[in-house]
Amino acid sequence: GQQVMQIPQYQHVQEGEDFTTYCNSSTTLSNIQWYKQRPGGHPVFLIQLVKSGEVKKQKRLTFQFGEAKKNSSLHITATQTTDVGTYFCANSNSGYALNFGKGTSLLVTP
Amino acid sequence: DAGVIQSPRHEVTEMGQEVTLRCKPISGHDYLFWYRQTMMRGLELLIYFNNNVPIDDSGMPEDRFSAKMPNASFSTLKIQPSEPRDSAVYFCASSLRIRETQYFGPGTRLLVL
Repeated sequence: GQQVMQIPQYQHVQEGEDFTTYCNSSTTLSNIQWYKQRPGGHPVFLIQLVKSGEVKKQKRLTFQFGEAKKNSSLHITATQTTDVGTYFCANSNSGYALNFGKGTSLLVTP
Repeated sequence: DAGVIQSPRHEVTEMGQEVTLRCKPISGHDYLFWYRQTMMRGLELLIYFNNNVPIDDSGMPEDRFSAKMPNASFSTLKIQPSEPRDSAVYFCASSLRIRETQYFGPGTRLLVL
């Protein structure tokens, strides 16, 4: 699978601030999945994006897939302490298993 | 469904010992994946199976690692002999199809002294 790069590697915010993590690829991606891993936990699926320019929302989380399908972003509005964890993007082209990025670790302090 | 089940949840062993990690995927899932997670290397895919057959083991670090899936409801990852650098969290995941949502187990936290 293609390598996806995630930035930033770490982010520390005050509760109530917004947060964004980016997932970038040098080549076109067929789809993007986002996972969240709480400290000491396991990755949990959040969402999948397939279409160019797609935007999906889950409460305070907004997921976007770029028009060129080479990047994606996850934006959290008004972070809460429950948002703490590592957010991974993952992609898979036909016939291959998911390829996970290194993740962005989010710390939220009250 | 109980989700993906892994055992043991924690394992502490001494260098040179054999370690066996176990996984029970979600019933009906055709794909099973083994991952290793460390701070340095992130989440690495070690091997995956389709219908109990190993498809890609290119991520297996070396011959000390082996994985089997004798039936649709059970898989093992074995390390023999174990070394301190094998210390990591090992996750098993399963999915219906290759590119679809993966459901992870709780992981096995392995410490090799």
